[in-house]
Amino acid sequence: AQRVTQPEKLLSVFKGAPVELKCNYSYSGSPELFWYVQYSRQRLQLLLRHISRESIKGFTADLNKGETSFHLKKPFAQEEDSAMYYCALGGSEKLVFGKGTKLTVNP
Amino acid sequence: SAVISQKPSRDICQRGTSLTIQCQVDSQVTMMFWYRQQPGQSLTLIATANQGSEATYESGFVIDKFPISRPNLTFSTLTVSNLSPEDSSIYLCSVNPLGLGLNTEAFFGQGTRLTVV
Repeated sequence: AQRVTQPEKLLSVFKGAPVELKCNYSYSGSPELFWYVQYSRQRLQLLLRHISRESIKGFTADLNKGETSFHLKKPFAQEEDSAMYYCALGGSEKLVFGKGTKLTVNP
Repeated sequence: SAVISQKPSRDICQRGTSLTIQCQVDSQVTMMFWYRQQPGQSLTLIATANQGSEATYESGFVIDKFPISRPNLTFSTLTVSNLSPEDSSIYLCSVNPLGLGLNTEAFFGQGTRLTVV
């Protein structure tokens, strides 16, 4: 079964501070991992996917198969990063989401 | 990419009634997905809707409670029947235009916020 765990429901940091949103997964197959973001009053949208290995809006995420983790990181948080972040695990049949972490970046 | 129009955006319904949510996509897609997002909870997949066949429901969701129609490749409806306050939630429509299992992007509607009184 596919399972995604985001241990932090809420995360609050100050502007300019590093931020890390944790995600752990459970899946017997080859994992496809994503981070989706929902800004206030906007629809859910893709932030990044592990296969792209790219940095989006300063965020990066590395797939660690040994630790079954896909943590999202940004070295210097900005106020506009405040949003709800969902880690998601994809497969051939469905996309499974974690419970989400609400990130607040304080000025 | 895909642009999804979902309506209504919100509704307040009496218990015992039903609400039908519509989802229109600007391109043809094979599968459409319906999710429920309860307060403080994750997005939970309700069912996958394929054109020309019955929807596939996830564990805990049944067709009698959540009937789905998929008349063509750009449109689907989800009905939430016999409403109770526990059905108060946000319902989301989603598509993967390039298919699942290929590390492709999912697109979402803006959601329908249902309140049952």
